[in-house]
Amino acid sequence: SQTIHQWPATLVQPVGSPLSLECTVEGTSNPNLYWYRQAAGRGLQLLFYSVGIGQISSEVPQNLSASRPQDRQFILSSKKLLLSDSGFYLCAWTRTEHYGYTFGSGTRLTVV
Amino acid sequence: GQNIDQPTEMTATEGAIVQINCTYQTSGFNGLFWYQQHAGEAPTFLSYNVLDGLEEKGRFSSFLSRSKGYSYLLLKELQMKDSASYLCAVLDSNYQLIWGAGTKLIIKP
Repeated sequence: SQTIHQWPATLVQPVGSPLSLECTVEGTSNPNLYWYRQAAGRGLQLLFYSVGIGQISSEVPQNLSASRPQDRQFILSSKKLLLSDSGFYLCAWTRTEHYGYTFGSGTRLTVV
Repeated sequence: GQNIDQPTEMTATEGAIVQINCTYQTSGFNGLFWYQQHAGEAPTFLSYNVLDGLEEKGRFSSFLSRSKGYSYLLLKELQMKDSASYLCAVLDSNYQLIWGAGTKLIIKP
């Protein structure tokens, strides 16, 4: 069966510090991978998606970036965090969109 | 633009039935999803509709009318554990998921 792992679960970082969130999927190959952010009481905002190694599409221009160094690994990064980067970050995967997305457990990021 | 509307919050009583509506205006349509999200947790898949009609899955049912741009999620025999947010999402013509802001469902004893 397929599983998705996302870490860390919570993170408190000072403004201006770097960020690295990691997501890995097991039990499948060539998944479509997604990074979402959810502000408190708000809907899901798509940040990046990837259909293959090294292929990254950005939906929202900002100080975040994503990379896919391996088939089942997706990394969200920032060189300098802003207060507005606080939120609940979710990684998700799908084989094809008709199957729906399976989400990781999420990372609660607080920038102070 | 693309838009999905759902009520912000609903309240229902344990053991009762509740219907959560979702209306959408998107560029194309390739299916509609419902997800459940408990506070502080990730969303989990509930249902997928691509054809008109009702899909039943235990206590949960989902209905779709493509001509009306409308769907609802029906929850029967409500339990306290059903207290959560319910997210409606539409797969558009580019196979991108467009998400609603979610409906927070509060269940009272």
